[in-house]
Amino acid sequence: EAGVAQSPRYKIIEKRQSVAFWCNPISGHATLYWYQQILGQGPKLLIQFQNNGVVDDSQLPKDRFSAERLKGVDSTLKIQPAKLEDSAVYLCASRSPGQAYNEQFFGPGTRLTVL
Amino acid sequence: DAKTTQPNSMESNEEEPVHLPCNHSTISGTDYIHWYRQLPSQGPEYVIHGLTSNVNNRMASLAIAEDRKSSTLILHRATLRDAAVYYCILRDSRGAQKLVFGQGTRLTINP
Repeated sequence: EAGVAQSPRYKIIEKRQSVAFWCNPISGHATLYWYQQILGQGPKLLIQFQNNGVVDDSQLPKDRFSAERLKGVDSTLKIQPAKLEDSAVYLCASRSPGQAYNEQFFGPGTRLTVL
Repeated sequence: DAKTTQPNSMESNEEEPVHLPCNHSTISGTDYIHWYRQLPSQGPEYVIHGLTSNVNNRMASLAIAEDRKSSTLILHRATLRDAAVYYCILRDSRGAQKLVFGQGTRLTINP
């Protein structure tokens, strides 16, 4: 079974530029998550999708971050404009439908550096 | 979200058992106890979960206190590959079932 795919793996941009990250979840996984992990900290949930609908985006900085999941499969997370404090690893995860305790499967992440 | 408390770091030797503690004194009856780990430069991966009874799988064992206010992740025979940050997370079985990660415990394995 293929895992969660993310691209790019690394990205370096100047502050005030825009950037987009792509995620392809495991086939059949209805729930998709985007996390932000700042160096030395645990991942923090930014947004959760159920199919193509948003379930929780309470911690998404909506003035600069946006995310979409068209057709309920792939997802894109965008930052516009980027700030220095956005430097982090952005992790995508997916979970199969069914039991509440079903595990989340994480991708390798995209490491963003904002200069 | 109910919080967990873990030591910042622990160290053990290869091929010895490792006991990783987690305190969760404010756990509610609907909270599952989940453990994830994050190897260097990788995304977190699921280790084990439980509700009330002790659990075993191919990776580890989870021992849950009778009052559920604490739990211990047990790696029976640590290898160098087990060096990672281990996260103990309470996950409400109701609602959106999101994971709220803390700082975790950084486990170092000595050869």
